[in-house]
Amino acid sequence: KAGVTQTPRYLIKTRGQQVTLSCSPISGHRSVSWYQQTPGQGLQFLFEYFSETQRNKGNFPGRFSGRQFSNSRSEMNVSTLELGDSALYLCASSLLPEALRIYEQYFGPGTRLTVT
Amino acid sequence: GIQVEQSPPDLILQEGANSTLRCNFSDSVNNLQWFHQNPWGQLINLFYIPSGTKQNGRLSATTVATERYSLLYISSSQTTDSGVYFCAVKPLTGGGNKLTFGTGTQLKVEL
Repeated sequence: KAGVTQTPRYLIKTRGQQVTLSCSPISGHRSVSWYQQTPGQGLQFLFEYFSETQRNKGNFPGRFSGRQFSNSRSEMNVSTLELGDSALYLCASSLLPEALRIYEQYFGPGTRLTVT
Repeated sequence: GIQVEQSPPDLILQEGANSTLRCNFSDSVNNLQWFHQNPWGQLINLFYIPSGTKQNGRLSATTVATERYSLLYISSSQTTDSGVYFCAVKPLTGGGNKLTFGTGTQLKVEL
């Protein structure tokens, strides 16, 4: 079974631009979460989508948004990019059979965004 | 929110040595995962271990949920074990599937 895939893998943008990152979860997984990793702040939760609905949101400004499609693929968008948005963006998927209380998450390779 | 502390922050070992990494968390959890981040940034799943003990080759992990800590054991370390090890937890209370990560243990294994 294919793992979590993310595109693009690397991206260079200029301040003020916007960017869209894509994540395809493991087949059959319904929950997709996004995380930002920076040297200063570590790994921080951005948001989680389940059945096309945002279930949880981290402490990030409104410039960060996302969505999930009916096939569970997810996109995140960052508008009006700032230098501090330079980071590794990681997507994770989870099967989430909550009746069985199994919450294991699997991560994609990440998108490394550089804002100049 | 839940707090996650990992120790030690840095560790240097000679190849063949054993090590223990620790993860303390501040609240009850129903998900605890150990990851190894490779040099390209991908988080590799090592263990899904909200409680109990598991082993996978040279690695093993134990989570004592009642005392709110988890340990990752690496035996007979190899240079390929180098990298950052993260512990991440999901609290028992609260909806969704948000993981809170520790700050990691940077491991370097030398010849």
